Amino acid sequence: QQQVKQSPQSLIVQKGGISIINCAYENTAFDYFPWYQQFPGKGPALLIAIRPDVSEKKEGRFTISFNKSAKQFSLHIMDSQPGDSATYFCAASMSNQGGKLIFGQGTELSVKP
Amino acid sequence: DAGITQSPRHKVTETGTPVTLRCHQTENHRYMYWYRQDPGHGLRLIHYSYGVKDTDKGEVSDGYSVSRSKTEDFLLTLESATSSQTSVYFCAVRPRSPGELFFGEGSRLTVL
Repeated sequence: QQQVKQSPQSLIVQKGGISIINCAYENTAFDYFPWYQQFPGKGPALLIAIRPDVSEKKEGRFTISFNKSAKQFSLHIMDSQPGDSATYFCAASMSNQGGKLIFGQGTELSVKP
Repeated sequence: DAGITQSPRHKVTETGTPVTLRCHQTENHRYMYWYRQDPGHGLRLIHYSYGVKDTDKGEVSDGYSVSRSKTEDFLLTLESATSSQTSVYFCAVRPRSPGELFFGEGSRLTVL
């Protein structure tokens, strides 16, 4: 029930295309859903996040879509660029649990020029 | 980088030896976390701290212990390292909201 399942494991997209990464969760007590971006040799960095009372959040080329009834959320990267090539992790947390994050398995994105 | 320094950044050790990883922060954050990252598993929480001398277990705490005697330092100890503990270890702090973590650059541990 604490798991967050992420797909696909890897993704190749052409420059200018749309990258879509999906995550699903079981525990309805989760109340915060961030996405993290990680470049090789670096720690993950917060990219964008959403709370379950909102169905969509957009920041620049990055959009989170959230479907509370389906217990799913996804990251869309519009106009994907080679500089977006990285590993992306979805995560979920409960604010009354010390902010502990449960991470998905990660998606390795490669954007081809 | 939220003022996080992890040390050592790389370590190779042998099975059965003790290992301590250090996380040092400069910005007085209350919450600190230790995660491990392995292919196919994402990041998994080992232990976390919510204040000096206040710690709790995460989802993969077996074989690990932690200590926090000062706000700025959070130590992760492997009492007797095993090959299954070969991993990249990340320290994180929580500057503001729950779920918004800032990570260090990681410590790569290899247990032979």
